[in-house]
Amino acid sequence: SAVISQKPSRDICQRGTSLTIQCQVDSQVTMMFWYRQQPGQSLTLIATANQGSEATYESGFVIDKFPISRPNLTFSTLTVSNMSPEDSSIYLCSVEDLLSGGYTFGSGTRLTVV
Amino acid sequence: AQSVTQLGSHVSVSEGALVLLRCNYSSSVPPYLFWYVQYPNQGLQLLLKYTTGATLVKGINGFEAEFKKSETSFHLTKPSAHMSDAAEYFCAVLGGAPLVFGKGTRLSVIA
Repeated sequence: SAVISQKPSRDICQRGTSLTIQCQVDSQVTMMFWYRQQPGQSLTLIATANQGSEATYESGFVIDKFPISRPNLTFSTLTVSNMSPEDSSIYLCSVEDLLSGGYTFGSGTRLTVV
Repeated sequence: AQSVTQLGSHVSVSEGALVLLRCNYSSSVPPYLFWYVQYPNQGLQLLLKYTTGATLVKGINGFEAEFKKSETSFHLTKPSAHMSDAAEYFCAVLGGAPLVFGKGTRLSVIA
């Protein structure tokens, strides 16, 4: 199955700053997905990133707050902008794994905003 | 639109006892169903999935789940719980859109 390298694994950031999270996949994939997992909660889809086009954002998420890049078929970044303590969450990227028929997830980025 | 309901945010079992984690779904199209496990401070690992064919699917670590269309359920079971099974478990449905997750069930295993 696909292997995803996600970094950083964790960070503590000051409010008002921005953090960029990177995901590298070991194979070419059409779509990459970005999720947020707030403390004690389930995963919520932020956006779907296709190579060569703008990301598609879910209700409640906007590009100004969570800009996404997808420069090629193996890489994507998610930026959390102008952070506040409410942004403290785990952020995960995911890809569809055609070999396994499931979805593979990165190990997540645990973000704490102080 | 699809949705997932996991009954019980926290389940506690004794070591060696049966594990049963409940998942009900709704989907307007034949669904693909998944169970993921999340160990503390880690990402999600796929336990098992149902796409088509046999309704009883076996996964890793001795877990299995049965797809029951009439009950719109996909409950996860394991005959004998082990201490290492303590984790958060998420049921997810794919019905023509990216995965939709349930709220998760935290499994505790008591020695």
